Amino acid sequence: NAGVTQTPKFQVLKTGQSMTLQCAQDMNHEYMSWYRQDPGMGLRLIHYSVGAGITDQGEVPNGYNVSRSTTEDFPLRLLSAAPSQTSVYFCASSYRGTGNEQYFGPGTRLTVT
Amino acid sequence: RKEVEQDPGPFNVPEGATVAFNCTYSNSASQSFFWYRQDCRKEPKLLMSVYSSGNEDGRFTAQLNRASQYISLLIRDSKLSDSATYLCVVSTASGGSYIPTFGRGTSLIVHP
Repeated sequence: NAGVTQTPKFQVLKTGQSMTLQCAQDMNHEYMSWYRQDPGMGLRLIHYSVGAGITDQGEVPNGYNVSRSTTEDFPLRLLSAAPSQTSVYFCASSYRGTGNEQYFGPGTRLTVT
Repeated sequence: RKEVEQDPGPFNVPEGATVAFNCTYSNSASQSFFWYRQDCRKEPKLLMSVYSSGNEDGRFTAQLNRASQYISLLIRDSKLSDSATYLCVVSTASGGSYIPTFGRGTSLIVHP
């Protein structure tokens, strides 16, 4: 059972480049979320999804897009990377809403120069 | 004021000590409460949920005080392996979903 997987583990981008962070889960969880974690800031919710075809914004959505075409996958897109998006990104999934236990992926460490 | 506040620490304690962390939250409508543990450069993992009546899991005890809007985590007989950052999470219902808010974490260092 793989749980929540994220790719890539590390990425360096130049300002203005675009990329997609991949997230997949094999637990048939309805809910999936993306967070960023910065030193001294804790985890902040970027976007979340309550099921396939449904997404919503979290606390810090600007500069990021998401889609949820299947239950398993929840990619995060950076359309035009900025240095302020340098961070560690975690994807998480859970049953029946984020009021329940969340399972996190191992994270993607992104640096934008 | 941040919705969920924690003392960042670090709490530096010897093995065998008892240590307690508090976490305050601002939204009185919050409904679910958790403690997560995060090791350095790793993903957060659930340590325990926090129930109104309080709950215990081995050396760990969690309590919720709704009137004062805080949750606590007590660790007894600290081990070196308890060294980590402990994240308080508070979930609040919004539009049919539960939106979790993470505290910034409390760092614990257990030394020999």
